[in-house]
Amino acid sequence: DAKTTQPPSMDCAEGRAANLPCNHSTISGNEYVYWYRQIHSQGPQYIIHGLKNNETNEMASLIITEDRKSSTLILPHATLRDTAVYYCIDSYTGNQFYFGTGTSLTVIP
Amino acid sequence: NAGVTQTPKFQVLKTGQSMTLQCAQDMNHEYMSWYRQDPGMGLRLIHYSVGAGITDQGEVPNGYNVSRSTTEDFPLRLLSAAPSQTSVYFCAAIGTGRNTEAFFGQGTRLTVV
Repeated sequence: DAKTTQPPSMDCAEGRAANLPCNHSTISGNEYVYWYRQIHSQGPQYIIHGLKNNETNEMASLIITEDRKSSTLILPHATLRDTAVYYCIDSYTGNQFYFGTGTSLTVIP
Repeated sequence: NAGVTQTPKFQVLKTGQSMTLQCAQDMNHEYMSWYRQDPGMGLRLIHYSVGAGITDQGEVPNGYNVSRSTTEDFPLRLLSAAPSQTSVYFCAAIGTGRNTEAFFGQGTRLTVV
C-alpha cells in the first residue's frame, strides 16, 4: 500500500515555480522515490525519481531531504499544460507501484 | 515506438457478460501490471506479472483473471461483469531493477450496466 502523504490540491500561477511536497516517513533505505503525473484521465506519465541525491531532468527537479522522510517536486516554470494530478510513490514491491490519491495541481493563468 | 497499447478504448458491457481487455507492449519489459481507477481516486493494482508464465494478485484482484503467455501481451479477463467494475483500466510495463520507470497505456474506459 502507498504510504505517502500529499496535500490533496494546490494552485500555482503560470510561469511561477510549482513546489509539490510529499512525506514518505516509512521509506526504507533502498527504496527510490518516484513521481508520476496524470493529465485529465490519461495514462500516468513518469516525471522523475531519486534515491538520496537531488535530481533534475528536462521536466522537473526532485529535492530529497537528508533523512529521506520527505521530498519536493519542483516544476520550475509552470504552464497550463502542467495542470494534472501528481503522485509521489515510495512503494515499489516486486517492481509494482502502489499509488495514493496524489496532489491535484491547477496552474492559473 | 508504440510503447504500451490497450484495446479497446471504450466498452459497455451488460451485467454478467465476460470480456478481455488487451494490453501489448513492444519494449521487451519483463514486468507488467493492471490498474483500475475509479472517479476521483488514485490507481489500484489488480494483478501483475514478473515475466511470462508468472502472475500474482495486487490490491483488488477479485472478479479478474490474467495470464502471461508471452512477454509482449498481458490480457485482463472480466469473468462476470458487475456494475462495481465500471472504471478506467490502465496497463503498465516496467523495466527490471529498482532504478526504472513504468510506461502506461492510455486506458480502457469500461461501463457495466
